[in-house]
Amino acid sequence: AQKVTQAQTEISVVEKEDVTLDCVYETRDTTYYLFWYKQPPSGELVFLIRRNSFDEQNEISGRYSWNFQKSTSSFNFTITASQVVDSAVYFCALSSDNAGNMLTFGGGTRLMVKP
Amino acid sequence: EAGVAQSPRYKIIEKRQSVAFWCNPISGHATLYWYQQILGQGPKLLIQFQNNGVVDDSQLPKDRFSAERLKGVDSTLKIQPAKLEDSAVYLCASSFLGPLPGELFFGEGSRLTVL
Repeated sequence: AQKVTQAQTEISVVEKEDVTLDCVYETRDTTYYLFWYKQPPSGELVFLIRRNSFDEQNEISGRYSWNFQKSTSSFNFTITASQVVDSAVYFCALSSDNAGNMLTFGGGTRLMVKP
Repeated sequence: EAGVAQSPRYKIIEKRQSVAFWCNPISGHATLYWYQQILGQGPKLLIQFQNNGVVDDSQLPKDRFSAERLKGVDSTLKIQPAKLEDSAVYLCASSFLGPLPGELFFGEGSRLTVL
């Protein structure tokens, strides 16, 4: 069985602060994929990143960075110099070949960035 | 490029009534998904289509939920009869057909309230 846990249900920061969103996953599969999605108030989820289980290199894209650590089954997401437009609910998700590529989502973390 | 279209955006019904939601995916996307998102939770996959065939419907409550994808394009999700616990946002998503779990493109969702 697959499981994704986002322990932080809500985080509030002031603009320009850095913030890290935690994600811990469980799977018995050796090949799997991890995702982050952003859900702004409008409701549609927006894809941010996909990583496969064989690539543990950290990735940076502008103010966003991701830290994948297989040893702790974590895939954390950091926003540097947060902005008000970053306010949204962020979901971590997991998919594996043995699950038919079905995405299992975590419960989400609501990020509020105050001006 | 047009995104995933869903209608209606909002629906209020009484328990035991029926409701139908419609989804038009992005042109050329072979795979279509219906997710249920209960308030405060992550999305849960209900059914996945590839063209007009069902890939996964293991989490679809088949005694009351049904879905179809005619001609491999538009899709309809129906609930009959509705229960109070069906109150949720129903998200439609689509993606390209490929060997890896890909980026999903989501619609804005249809919010159902069952009274």
